[in-house]
Amino acid sequence: DTEVTQTPKHLVMGMTNKKSLKCEQHMGHRAMYWYKQKAKKPPELMFVYSYEKLSINESVPSRFSPECPNSSLLNLHLHALQPEDSALYLCASSQGVRPEQFFGPGTRLTVL
Amino acid sequence: GQQLNQSPQSMFIQEGEDVSMNCTSSSIFNTWLWYKQEPGEGPVLLIALYKAGELTSNGRLTAQFGITRKDSFLNISASIPSDVGIYFCAGLPLGAGNNRKLIWGLGTSLAVNP
Repeated sequence: DTEVTQTPKHLVMGMTNKKSLKCEQHMGHRAMYWYKQKAKKPPELMFVYSYEKLSINESVPSRFSPECPNSSLLNLHLHALQPEDSALYLCASSQGVRPEQFFGPGTRLTVL
Repeated sequence: GQQLNQSPQSMFIQEGEDVSMNCTSSSIFNTWLWYKQEPGEGPVLLIALYKAGELTSNGRLTAQFGITRKDSFLNISASIPSDVGIYFCAGLPLGAGNNRKLIWGLGTSLAVNP
């Protein structure tokens, strides 16, 4: 299995809702990432987990809460989001020491 | 934050033409990565480069790690309609160590006229 999967593909939520994005990889990668991407812009790093521990938080608002239950899974819990949080949310993974990151197809999030 | 200078910003070409794009930085990089992203999908890794002067091919795609370590180039030969998408360069600067934060270019949007 050489891919990163993400669910759901699309998500529409209100500003008072709580939802979660899920990411899974079975490549044995020990680093996993969350990115936010606006249209026609490069991905912006949000969080990095290395060996299931949070290693980078790019000053992301607390309404985004990451979780890494095990080495294959990564979640992003969403609560009280704002319309400007609407974007494509990408998950990626990489091997322990190699820099190449492999991306999932993303979750298109719309906040109403 | 730090960004790479990627050019051109967009290209509109005829099928069969060759394409060239590049990324430059004011600082030295250890690794250069080239990704392609199609609408509604995540970026797909095309080529990874690790050494100054390295030239690597992937089918009709060829990428080079610049000798100065401050730039990289991607060429696409004999373009076809499915080459349409946004091409991003990304890299790790010298001294990044275990920091996994890639630095990204702003992308080159490619349109191919059949």
